[in-house]
Amino acid sequence: GIQVEQSPPDLILQEGANSTLRCNFSDSVNNLQWFHQNPWGQLINLFYIPSGTKQNGRLSATTVATERYSLLYISSSQTTDSGVYFCAVEGTNAGKSTFGDGTTLTVKP
Amino acid sequence: KAGVTQTPRYLIKTRGQQVTLSCSPISGHRSVSWYQQTPGQGLQFLFEYFSETQRNKGNFPGRFSGRQFSNSRSEMNVSTLELGDSALYLCASSLFVRGAFWAGTYNEQFFGPGTRLTVL
Repeated sequence: GIQVEQSPPDLILQEGANSTLRCNFSDSVNNLQWFHQNPWGQLINLFYIPSGTKQNGRLSATTVATERYSLLYISSSQTTDSGVYFCAVEGTNAGKSTFGDGTTLTVKP
Repeated sequence: KAGVTQTPRYLIKTRGQQVTLSCSPISGHRSVSWYQQTPGQGLQFLFEYFSETQRNKGNFPGRFSGRQFSNSRSEMNVSTLELGDSALYLCASSLFVRGAFWAGTYNEQFFGPGTRLTVL
């Protein structure tokens, strides 16, 4: 099946810094999503981005499907951005998503 | 519009018992997927139902089963519980729209809060 690799696994930042999280995938994908998991386990939708670029406030994402990667940018980070960020891809097998291992982000005040 | 709901939120069982978890998708969504999250294995796909039919299944033993009802609500069942089944079980719903052959599918998933199962 499709393989998903996220990097870095851990990231520690000072408040106000910018960061880039990466998601590499091994095969063609139909869909790609970025999530933020809060401390209670809830997965919060950030972006649905099978291709192209989207922005939402301080967050933006870019997926280059032909090169099999996606990037999540966080600018002017805040302590509330802390948590685990997951990339999930759906390959040609519709309805089955594969998650990466996540990037754990810690933003210090 | 109400989000995805899962019940119960917390559950404690002992080895050998069975458990049933429930998921109510967002109104109008016909696809429901289940995932298991553990510290060691991360988020793993269990199965996906669409219009009451299991369309996809992950690599889990037959002790894990599920079903979907005509109102799109879904249940998953784990029989003969083992200690390793302790996990956060997450349910996701999606509208799942299949476009023309060149347009692919729209399948944005929305997750419920999860059921935290502890097996003693």
